[in-house]
Amino acid sequence: GQQLNQSPQSMFIQEGEDVSMNCTSSSIFNTWLWYKQDPGEGPVLLIALYKAGELTSNGRLTAQFGITRKDSFLNISASIPSDVGIYFCAGGGGSQGNLIFGKGTKLSVKP
Amino acid sequence: GAVVSQHPSWVICKSGTSVKIECRSLDFQATTMFWYRQFPKQSLMLMATSNEGSKATYEQGVEKDKFLINHASLTLSTLTVTSAHPEDSSFYICSARLGSGRDPEQYFGPGTRLTVT
Repeated sequence: GQQLNQSPQSMFIQEGEDVSMNCTSSSIFNTWLWYKQDPGEGPVLLIALYKAGELTSNGRLTAQFGITRKDSFLNISASIPSDVGIYFCAGGGGSQGNLIFGKGTKLSVKP
Repeated sequence: GAVVSQHPSWVICKSGTSVKIECRSLDFQATTMFWYRQFPKQSLMLMATSNEGSKATYEQGVEKDKFLINHASLTLSTLTVTSAHPEDSSFYICSARLGSGRDPEQYFGPGTRLTVT
């Protein structure tokens, strides 16, 4: 079945640093979505991408839909302590609109 | 907009009992809702896809007779864990799909922590 490889698994950074994480797949997806999950909460949608090559920003977050439709990256600029959490990528395009999730990137920010 | 609620947020039950979890889309109609479970430090695992007015589609390995799903209205889907056992303890999260086309944006509920003793 379709699988997503998300990296890195975890990151420990200093406040103010920029962060980059990515997802790759051997399969083509029609959409890529990025979510953030805080402990004990449901994931919150950050950015949705619909076109190959699309670059979209949401505040300090920027994400791109790879031109091959097999990858996507998420960048966070000038990280702050509240950026701490687990970030999931998700590829979409199934017949019922289901998503395939990556294993997540755990971000820790040191003040 | 696109707010999804879940109830209860946590529940503790005894082994052998059944537990019902509700998922509601508060400000939009969702013809499709999804149920996931998540074990500690792991990603979300899709259990089933729930379509309003029809039977749910279960993922491979998920027992449909154990995890009963009902999607009776465009704003409500329920998951009932029947005869729960300790191994069913997990974090259950629902999501609702915004739009009826191929738009795959899913909005998640806050999750339900189930502990079976």
